[in-house]
Order: sequence, then structure tokens, then C-alpha cells
Amino acid sequence: GAVVSQHPSRVICKSGTSVKIECRSLDFQATTMFWYRQFPKQSLMLMATSNEGSKATYEQGVEKDKFLINHASLTLSTLTVTSAHPEDSSFYICSARGTVHLRGGYTFGSGTRLTVV
Amino acid sequence: SQKIEQNSEALNIQEGKTATLTCNYTNYSPAYLQWYRQDPGRGPVFLLLIRENEKEKRKERLKVTFDTTLKQSLFHITASQPADSATYLCALDETGSARQLTFGSGTQLTVLP
Repeated sequence: GAVVSQHPSRVICKSGTSVKIECRSLDFQATTMFWYRQFPKQSLMLMATSNEGSKATYEQGVEKDKFLINHASLTLSTLTVTSAHPEDSSFYICSARGTVHLRGGYTFGSGTRLTVV
Repeated sequence: SQKIEQNSEALNIQEGKTATLTCNYTNYSPAYLQWYRQDPGRGPVFLLLIRENEKEKRKERLKVTFDTTLKQSLFHITASQPADSATYLCALDETGSARQLTFGSGTQLTVLP
């Protein structure tokens, strides 16, 4: 139980275009979803936290107009990287939390490798 | 400033031995500390959580200790196997409600056959 599906796993896009990444909780209701980015050999850095039906809370230094987050339902959150540039190339990971996690831990998606060329 | 440090970026051990990974933190007061495993190109997978009032937690071949005085957690894998090779991340939750985790940069463990 507590499976999170993230798509796509890899995406290559041209500079200036937008890319949407989906994060779905398959067998539980995700009251909170988190979006991270991870550069090679570095830690996961939290970008934003979203609760279903409300606006996402962004971490300091993360541009909310560039990284659009929508958490429209209890099972789906999307991250859209708008007007992507090569410096946005990274590994993006979502995680989700619901009542199934009362005993601890988060469930993470398998990540999306974004390459902007 | 706040810091989470995990010992050495990489750790190599022989199959069958016990791997010990360290997580030290500065200027945090975590209510929980969690350990995750991350394989290349994949998201982290939750392994164990230990609370601030717990000294030790075990799960199969895994053991975690938490010393809030030393501000340190140790993660042990006994009878290690090549399949245990991965990056292991510690993560702190200060709030106690697990709204947000702060991750260390990880230790890449390689178990040699």
C-alpha cells in the first residue's frame, strides 16, 4: 500500500517551453504533497508544499510563477516548469502524505529527470 | 547555521559485515529522525523512523539509534549484502507533525561481494 506514481520518468524539452510533471497517489488520499528537486550527489531540496484545494506554499528562493503547482484533488498534484531553461535541468521528486502515514514516513514518487536543451 | 551531515559521501564494506552510517545535525531540535534508501534515478524509499524519546529502533537487519545529546543518529545494516548497495539519506522532522522533512546529502554504500 501507499504507492505514489510520478510521470514522466524522463523528459527532454527545448529551452523556453513548459513541462508538466504529474504525481498521483494510487491507493490512498494524499492530504499533503511535496515537491523536491535534487542535483547530482546533493540532498533533496524542498521546493513547495501543497494541500488539496489550497495554494501551494513555496520555499524561499523558489519562483512560484516559474514552478506552478496544482493540487486539485486528493490523489493528484502537478508541477509545471514554465519557460524552462537549461539551469532548470534536475531530478524532480514528489512525495505524498495521508492518514496511512500516521505511523511515520513519506511515500515518494520515482522521480522525473528533466533535461532542458 | 543549521546543518545535517552524513559521514563520508561513500562507504565500501565487505559482504557479511555490518555497515554503520552516521547522521549528525547542528541547530535542529528534531521530533523525529527518518532514514531512507535511494537507488540511482529513483525516489527515496522510507526505511525507519525514530522519535526523540526513543533510543533505538530495529527492523529486520536494520537498526537505528538516536542520541539527542550528541545530536547524532547511527544507522546499522547487519549481515550486509550487495543488494544493500544504495545511497542512504537521513531526514529530520522538527515540527513533529511531519509536514516537512530536511534531508542530509546521503552516504553512498557499496557492499562488495
